[in-house]
Amino acid sequence: GESVGLHLPTLSVQEGDNSIINCAYSNSASDYFIWYKQESGKGPQFIIDIRSNMDKRQGQRVTVLLNKTVKHLSLQIAATQPGDSAVYFCAETASSPPNDYKLSFGAGTTVTVRA
Amino acid sequence: KAGVTQTPRYLIKTRGQQVTLSCSPISGHRSVSWYQQTPGQGLQFLFEYFSETQRNKGNFPGRFSGRQFSNSRSEMNVSTLELGDSALYLCASSLIGMNTEAFFGQGTRLTVV
Repeated sequence: GESVGLHLPTLSVQEGDNSIINCAYSNSASDYFIWYKQESGKGPQFIIDIRSNMDKRQGQRVTVLLNKTVKHLSLQIAATQPGDSAVYFCAETASSPPNDYKLSFGAGTTVTVRA
Repeated sequence: KAGVTQTPRYLIKTRGQQVTLSCSPISGHRSVSWYQQTPGQGLQFLFEYFSETQRNKGNFPGRFSGRQFSNSRSEMNVSTLELGDSALYLCASSLIGMNTEAFFGQGTRLTVV
């Protein structure tokens, strides 16, 4: 199928600790993956992306890992801050039909940062 | 650089009415796509437009339609509204398609009563 799922619906993390958010995807034809952050009352905010020819990509405090063998995607947030509290979605798309020109989203993980 | 702008932000409509939502993409972006977000179904793809052409469509009834203008602005229309159409409708824009960075607007919160 084309579903993109997250392993855990919620994650509670201590401020300053590292967070790891996981996502499993089922479409082996997907070749572009994105992580979004959505805060209450706002639209999804682009965090980081990765293409299928890579297995790791780093941004500012964030790292995305892609394991195509087991169809697994993860987002690591270093030194988690209160402002990181939000819902995180993984999304996938493909370069060929029928899943091109569209993003398929996972169910989302709600991250709560404890002070 | 202005982000993706969606109007209106909030809308209340009665069952059976129709509604038109608007999306202005980031300047220079030619791909616009629409998503419906509900607590039960999550984020669901509606359709995508590029240079006024629909390139992909999600599994929604024909009551949901859209179009894109020559300036890349897009509108979506929902006719004969049902209670289940209550949702946050999100628009995303990207340079050429969803395999490039896509940025979302704040969304339009539609409530059908």
